[in-house]
Amino acid sequence: DTEVTQTPKHLVMGMTNKKSLKCEQHMGHRAMYWYKQKAKKPPELMFVYSYEKLSINESVPSRFSPECPNSSLLNLHLHALQPEDSALYLCASSQDQVLANQETQYFGPGTRLLVL
Amino acid sequence: SQELEQSPQSLIVQEGKNLTINCTSSKTLYGLYWYKQKYGEGLIFLMMLQKGGEEKSHEKITAKLDEKKQQSSLHITASQPSHAGIYLCAAPLIRNFGNEKLTFGTGTRLTIIP
Repeated sequence: DTEVTQTPKHLVMGMTNKKSLKCEQHMGHRAMYWYKQKAKKPPELMFVYSYEKLSINESVPSRFSPECPNSSLLNLHLHALQPEDSALYLCASSQDQVLANQETQYFGPGTRLLVL
Repeated sequence: SQELEQSPQSLIVQEGKNLTINCTSSKTLYGLYWYKQKYGEGLIFLMMLQKGGEEKSHEKITAKLDEKKQQSSLHITASQPSHAGIYLCAAPLIRNFGNEKLTFGTGTRLTIIP
């Protein structure tokens, strides 16, 4: 089973709202990722968690706040977003973060976010 | 310029025809991944190439890695409508331990005409 699930599938929120995106995997993977993908662009890395600790933060604005409650779950808390934050948000996981070991990242279906 | 450049950007092919997508890196490749994405959906892992000269096949899709040329190619034989989508190559171009991440290619949009 190589499934990563994400909820919700779609989300519309105002600039003053607070919402959360959720990601779950039950493959025993210890690295989890958040990517942002704008239309017709490749995914861009936002955050990496390795063994439930934040490993990489790609200078993402503080209105995005990641959380890893346990090894299977990854959340992305959203607050005071801007319309330009509208995008497809993808979660991924891999056995380990060390890509030198050729660890494959498996992606969820994404959450399509629209900020009004 | 992009670190992982794909060509062509888009491709329209008649069903049943063969096609090739290329991925060229501006840096040394230490392995390369191919993913497929349907519009607005997640990425589906296709295959991973680990070393130069390696070639892998899955159903009608074959991928090769040429480390010396810093290039990979994805070849689809006898294309079908189910092959339509966006093909993305990805590689770990940053090699600092603990700071490794995948860089994605610019993408190739494939349309299959029945």
